[in-house]
Amino acid sequence: EAAVTQSPRSKVAVTGGKVTLSCHQTNNHDYMYWYRQDTGHGLRLIHYSYVADSTEKGDIPDGYKASRPSQENFSLILELASLSQTAVYFCASSDLEQYFGPGTRLTVL
Amino acid sequence: GDSVTQTEGLVTVTEGLPVKLNCTYQTTYLTIAFFWYVQYLNEAPQVLLRSSTDNKRTEHQGFHATLHKSSSSFHLQKSSAQLSDSALYYCALSPSRNMGYKLTFGTGTSLLVDP
Repeated sequence: EAAVTQSPRSKVAVTGGKVTLSCHQTNNHDYMYWYRQDTGHGLRLIHYSYVADSTEKGDIPDGYKASRPSQENFSLILELASLSQTAVYFCASSDLEQYFGPGTRLTVL
Repeated sequence: GDSVTQTEGLVTVTEGLPVKLNCTYQTTYLTIAFFWYVQYLNEAPQVLLRSSTDNKRTEHQGFHATLHKSSSSFHLQKSSAQLSDSALYYCALSPSRNMGYKLTFGTGTSLLVDP
């Protein structure tokens, strides 16, 4: 049973549109994270959260918002999607070791 | 801040031969754990190895790594590479809980094992 799930698994969005990526974990972990993966850049942290109703900026937060309505759920929001946000996005939860979801492939056209 | 350096972007090795992926780091915070993550094609990253103890060899799935704090290194090795080892490998370090367990990743090394 997958402990970190993401939806959608892939999405095509238009430039300027709003995109919401969702993540759900059943690990009972306090910490959750959003990363983007680009060839040549590895995994870069966008936002993270250590408790419901609170989020923190990661290393590359510009252009992204995050929401943690409950311990289990963590969303990443692109209010105005841009071409440069085309990437694979991973969610993870952690109790020291991070457990990743399967990823969402986002293409912005 | 912390940083992790993986000097090779791509390592190619013939099946059955040994392989070594390099990882060095710099840390200004109390780092409590070091990891190697592996990511197979179209899959999520997953932990391959984890270590917190200086000079102790850690092994899993035929791979091994030893944390050497004196040289700030945590290299990954395998004595006999297999075709199924072809993947992307990340070295990472983690601070303590009060730093949010925020992993610092290297840029990754792609390992290609040829028959």
